[in-house]
Amino acid sequence: QKEVEQDPGPLSVPEGAIVSLNCTYSNSAFQYFMWYRQYSRKGPELLMYTYSSGNKEDGRFTAQVDKSSKYISLFIRDSQPSDSATYLCAMSSTGNYGQNFVFGPGTRLSVLP
Amino acid sequence: SAVISQKPSRDICQRGTSLTIQCQVDSQVTMMFWYRQQPGQSLTLIATANQGSEATYESGFVIDKFPISRPNLTFSTLTVSNMSPEDSSIYLCSVEGGNTIYFGEGSWLTVV
Repeated sequence: QKEVEQDPGPLSVPEGAIVSLNCTYSNSAFQYFMWYRQYSRKGPELLMYTYSSGNKEDGRFTAQVDKSSKYISLFIRDSQPSDSATYLCAMSSTGNYGQNFVFGPGTRLSVLP
Repeated sequence: SAVISQKPSRDICQRGTSLTIQCQVDSQVTMMFWYRQQPGQSLTLIATANQGSEATYESGFVIDKFPISRPNLTFSTLTVSNMSPEDSSIYLCSVEGGNTIYFGEGSWLTVV
């Protein structure tokens, strides 16, 4: 089993739809959870960062973490064509030399006008 | 969050040549990280660069192929040596901050 698995996509939705992006993980040592947005041939941009289980909201974006189920989600409300990108989940745990980061393979999202 | 600048942003390279990517951070950081992202793939850590010491390479990456310099707390370079088409990737410089990680814009290399 891979350490982090992510819905493979690609995902196409109409403008205004609610989007749900999901990741599962196997390592219970992960403490910090992140979502990145990556436009084509650009570096990943940090969207959301959470610690521990629960929800965190920022504008149209909501990050949800369920540590008991080892499951995280990113919800996008009122999706816009500008949200079309690849979304990467990431998580980290504390190692001997600092944080160890693991990234999901990404889900490509297209929001159609 | 840190502002991370990379140069070049993109380049087309001949096989067998080498290219050096520069990374500048707007604040002093202890560790800088270099990642590779091959087409359609996720991020793979190449090495961790600490100022004043040799870089630590991940399994599958060697110093002869990817030499790294870290002359001060705000700057690092990654060289991709003796390039082949398999080296066509986005190369990303990153720094840690507040239990998360920030990336530069990336350097998109195509080897022909």
